[in-house]
Amino acid sequence: ETGVTQTPRHLVMGMTNKKSLKCEQHLGHNAMYWYKQSAKKPLELMFVYNFKEQTENNSVPSRFSPECPNSSHLFLHLHTLQPEDSALYLCASSQAPNSYNSPLHFGNGTRLTVT
Amino acid sequence: DQQVKQNSPSLSVQEGRISILNCDYTNSMFDYFLWYKKYPAEGPTFLISISSIKDKNEDGRFTVFLNKSAKHLSLHIVPSQPGDSAVYFCAASPTSGTYKYIFGTGTRLKVLA
Repeated sequence: ETGVTQTPRHLVMGMTNKKSLKCEQHLGHNAMYWYKQSAKKPLELMFVYNFKEQTENNSVPSRFSPECPNSSHLFLHLHTLQPEDSALYLCASSQAPNSYNSPLHFGNGTRLTVT
Repeated sequence: DQQVKQNSPSLSVQEGRISILNCDYTNSMFDYFLWYKKYPAEGPTFLISISSIKDKNEDGRFTVFLNKSAKHLSLHIVPSQPGDSAVYFCAASPTSGTYKYIFGTGTRLKVLA
């Protein structure tokens, strides 16, 4: 069982809806990440939080809004999305950003479909 | 511009033989490399890593080789098993100060029984 839990596993939403993705890590890590995986594209880094502070926003549109209330929880709030935002959204955590022996641990993702 | 490239989208190998998955990178600042395995409906799982001070790292059936001059790394799986069938991603990052792991597009490995 993964130490990083994401809910929901699947989400279908209309372009006018507001929804949130949730991620929780049970590994005692202090960095958390949102990645997007679209078909036939590499995983794209969206946001990074280190000790609850956002340290990276990789030019993500404002219709995606992250929230990190503590080192164990991470949310991605979604509003007025576009059909091209349909993708697999992966949460990950690590002990410290980009340290040796600190690989990313991923959740199982949320498969998002925007209609 | 893709900084990490996996040029083979798929690979089929007979059970018991060696699987070799390749990855090329363009950024000479990269000095930490990882391989991940992903099954359908699951997130990527960390397999093995290597830093640029080494040219080989081994963990059981999995060995990663790094050729810094060629900016190339490869993952060898010996012997291959049907349970190894998955998509394999390589990733790279500079270790100093940034948070960006750059991923390749993945290679789908199918191990035939």
